[in-house]
Amino acid sequence: EPEVTQTPSHQVTQMGQEVILRCVPISNHLYFYWYRQILGQKVEFLVSFYNNEISEKSEIFDDQFSVERPDGSNFTLKIRSTKLEDSAMYFCASSATRTSAPYEQYFGPGTRLTVT
Amino acid sequence: DAKTTQPTSMDCAEGRAANLPCNHSTISGNEYVYWYRQIHSQGPQYIIHGLKNNETNEMASLIITEDRKSSTLILPHATLRDTAVYYCIVRYYSGAGSYQLTFGKGTKLSVIP
Repeated sequence: EPEVTQTPSHQVTQMGQEVILRCVPISNHLYFYWYRQILGQKVEFLVSFYNNEISEKSEIFDDQFSVERPDGSNFTLKIRSTKLEDSAMYFCASSATRTSAPYEQYFGPGTRLTVT
Repeated sequence: DAKTTQPTSMDCAEGRAANLPCNHSTISGNEYVYWYRQIHSQGPQYIIHGLKNNETNEMASLIITEDRKSSTLILPHATLRDTAVYYCIVRYYSGAGSYQLTFGKGTKLSVIP
């Protein structure tokens, strides 16, 4: 069964450093998402991406964040200058083909980001 | 999006049906009910969704009341692997475009041997 993959599984970085989290969505999906979950808290939406553009973004997704689909398979989340409060599990998700509605989002296993 | 209310936690004996309630009394006519679950910090997993009618798939059944103000997710024969946090999400879907999911705290279901 196709699945969303994410790398790395765990990233440790120092405050102020840039990080790039990588995702490979399901190959024929059209919509891509990033969510995050701070330890013990709710899963929070960050951004959605379609047709090489951001569709929606939350208040969390400020100028320090950016997303990119650099080629036909990868979808990345960049945090320019990490802060301690960026420590969280980051989930990538994808949904919908050209013939199916995006009712079902498929989530990856997550990247645990630890900012020290 | 309409607000949902779920019990904080529930227990279910292995092999029995797990019935997880969700209240969404302010739901509007074009909002869908979605259920996802999250097993121990893994990525959330889609279970089922519905608009008005009851729905069933290989994982679960979704029963939506006639007034649509509440719903129940039924896992017919719960196993230990069904221990997870279950999220009921109400979201408008226009038929096109992406849609963000707003997760609440969900119900922590513990399946007991």
